[in-house]
Amino acid sequence: KQEVTQIPAALSVPEGENLVLNCSFTDSAIYNLQWFRQDPGKGLTSLLLIQSSQREQTSGRLNASLDKSSGRSTLYIAASQPGDSATYLCAVSPRSFKTIFGAGTRLFVKA
Amino acid sequence: GAGVSQSPSNKVTEKGKDVELRCDPISGHTALYWYRQSLGQGLEFLIYFQGNSAPDKSGLPSDRFSAERTGGSVSTLTIQRTQQEDSAVYLCASSWGLTDTQYFGPGTRLTVL
Repeated sequence: KQEVTQIPAALSVPEGENLVLNCSFTDSAIYNLQWFRQDPGKGLTSLLLIQSSQREQTSGRLNASLDKSSGRSTLYIAASQPGDSATYLCAVSPRSFKTIFGAGTRLFVKA
Repeated sequence: GAGVSQSPSNKVTEKGKDVELRCDPISGHTALYWYRQSLGQGLEFLIYFQGNSAPDKSGLPSDRFSAERTGGSVSTLTIQRTQQEDSAVYLCASSWGLTDTQYFGPGTRLTVL
C-alpha cells in the first residue's frame, strides 16, 4: 500500500533563507509526483509536476527533485519570502491513478 | 481562462438530509477528481472520471456517496442521508489526462449539524 510522508510537519524560518521540504513514498511504481501549496481556507495551487521519467523540475525560486528508486522527493525554495507561508503538499499518482497525498509541511516565513 | 469552479462554496445541512455538490472543470480537461479534506486530516481520494470510461468508485467511503459526470464535463457528488462525520471540505480537480497536472477548485465546505 502506497504511503506518502512529509518531513518536517512544520517549519519556521527567517525571510531570505533557503529551505528544503522532504517527501517520501513507499512504492516506486508511480506515474508522477506533484507539489502543491495550500493557503488557509483555500484550494490547492499546483507548483511543480515531475513525471516518473524526470529527475527534477524548476519554476522560479522553486526546484523539485525526484529519486524514484529511493522513494524520495525534495522541494527546494530559494530566498524564502513571507508570501511563501503556506502548507506544502506532495502527492503521488500510482498505477491506480488514485492520487495519494502527504499530510503536508506547514511553512512560516518570518519577516 | 476560467479555472475549476465548485458550488456551493458553503453548505450547512441537517443530519439525514441529502446534499449535492457541483464541480465545473476546466474546459477540455478529460480527467476529473473528487477529494475530501476533513479538519486536521490530509486529502482523501474519493473518485476519478476519465473521459467516457467507467469511474473508479473504490475510494468512496460508503454507499451513501455517489458521483456522476454528465457529458464529460460537469460533475456532481451526492451524499445521501448525511452524517456528522461527512463534515469536511470537498475538493474537485481536473486535468488534461490522468498523468497531467491537477488543477483544483476552491472547494465546498460541508457542515452537517
